[in-house]
Amino acid sequence: GQQVMQIPQYQHVQEGEDFTTYCNSSTTLSNIQWYKQRPGGHPVFLIQLVKSGEVKKQKRLTFQFGEAKKNSSLHITATQTTDVGTYFCAGRRSGYALNFGKGTSLLVTP
Amino acid sequence: GAVVSQHPSWVICKSGTSVKIECRSLDFQATTMFWYRQFPKQSLMLMATSNEGSKATYEQGVEKDKFLINHASLTLSTLTVTSAHPEDSSFYICSAKEGANEQFFGPGTRLTVL
Repeated sequence: GQQVMQIPQYQHVQEGEDFTTYCNSSTTLSNIQWYKQRPGGHPVFLIQLVKSGEVKKQKRLTFQFGEAKKNSSLHITATQTTDVGTYFCAGRRSGYALNFGKGTSLLVTP
Repeated sequence: GAVVSQHPSWVICKSGTSVKIECRSLDFQATTMFWYRQFPKQSLMLMATSNEGSKATYEQGVEKDKFLINHASLTLSTLTVTSAHPEDSSFYICSAKEGANEQFFGPGTRLTVL
């Protein structure tokens, strides 16, 4: 079945440093979504990418969808302590269900 | 965005008892609902997909007789963990979508089986 791999598993940065998490799928995706989960909270939808090579920005967050629609990345510029949490990518397989990556836990120290 | 609620937010039960978790879409019609479980510091694992009025589709390895899912209306789905055991202790999260729209997640239910 489809697998979504996400790296790194953990990332510890100093406030102000950049952060990137990568997501790779074993199969071509129809779209990919990104979620953020704060400790003790539930996943919160950030964005959806649909088109090959698509790049979207949300303030300091930049999301990319690969040309082959098999990989994606989330880049945060100049991290802040409010960015702490686990970032999940989720690829949509055939049908409706999302297949989640294992997530990247980001820790930002001031 | 749309709101999805879950009840209860946490539950502690004795081994062998059954627990029902409710998932409600508050301001949209959830034609499809999903149930996930999440172990500590791990990802969300899809358990089953349910369409309103139809039987749920379970993922491989998920026992349908143990995790009973009912999606009888466009705003409510329930997950019943039957004869719960300590290994069923987990964070159960539902999500809902209307048609081809994005999924919205509930706040989750933390189940602890003693």
